[in-house]
Amino acid sequence: AQKVTQAQTEISVVEKEDVTLDCVYETRDTTYYLFWYKQPPSGELVFLIRRNSFDEQNEISGRYSWNFQKSTSSFNFTITASQVVDSAVYFCALSEGAGGTSYGKLTFGQGTILTVHP
Amino acid sequence: EAGVTQSPTHLIKTRGQQATLRCSPISGHTSVYWYQQALGLGLQFLLWYDEGEERNRGNFPPRFSGRQFPNYSSELNVNALELEDSALYLCASSFTRVSYNEQFFGPGTRLTVL
Repeated sequence: AQKVTQAQTEISVVEKEDVTLDCVYETRDTTYYLFWYKQPPSGELVFLIRRNSFDEQNEISGRYSWNFQKSTSSFNFTITASQVVDSAVYFCALSEGAGGTSYGKLTFGQGTILTVHP
Repeated sequence: EAGVTQSPTHLIKTRGQQATLRCSPISGHTSVYWYQQALGLGLQFLLWYDEGEERNRGNFPPRFSGRQFPNYSSELNVNALELEDSALYLCASSFTRVSYNEQFFGPGTRLTVL
């Protein structure tokens, strides 16, 4: 069975600090996909990034960067120079390949509440 | 381009009643997913529809059901409502049924069962 763990329930930082959100996953599939979503107070989940299990290249997009390491089953997310607008709940999610009972669904971690203070 | 839309925004029902929630996917998307976000339980997968067929369902009782219409919009029905059904119900859509396609979410329907 697949599982996603976000051990940090809440993180509080001051603006301009860097912050890393941890995500550890479990799956028996060799082909899988990892996602990060952001849920601002409005409630709508916003897609941030997708990584494939066969592509461990790290990615940077503006102030956001992602570190995918298959050896430790981790997919961590870093926000550089955080801003108040980054305050939200961040979810890591896993999707497995075709076939099996997990097909088609996203399995989410419990989420990390990030609060950025001015 | 319009995103995923859901209606109603809020729904208040009493125990034992039925609730119907609606979702319109992004134009061109054929897959629709339903998730429940209950307090303290995180986001739980409910149902997945693609091309009018139910493709997968999560660990929810049969009183949670739904359908997908020819225009790919979808309806989630919850019968015999219980207090613990109170939650935010999120609908998502994706371009095709393949797992690597990101799912785009709507704003949700907040269901309150009294």
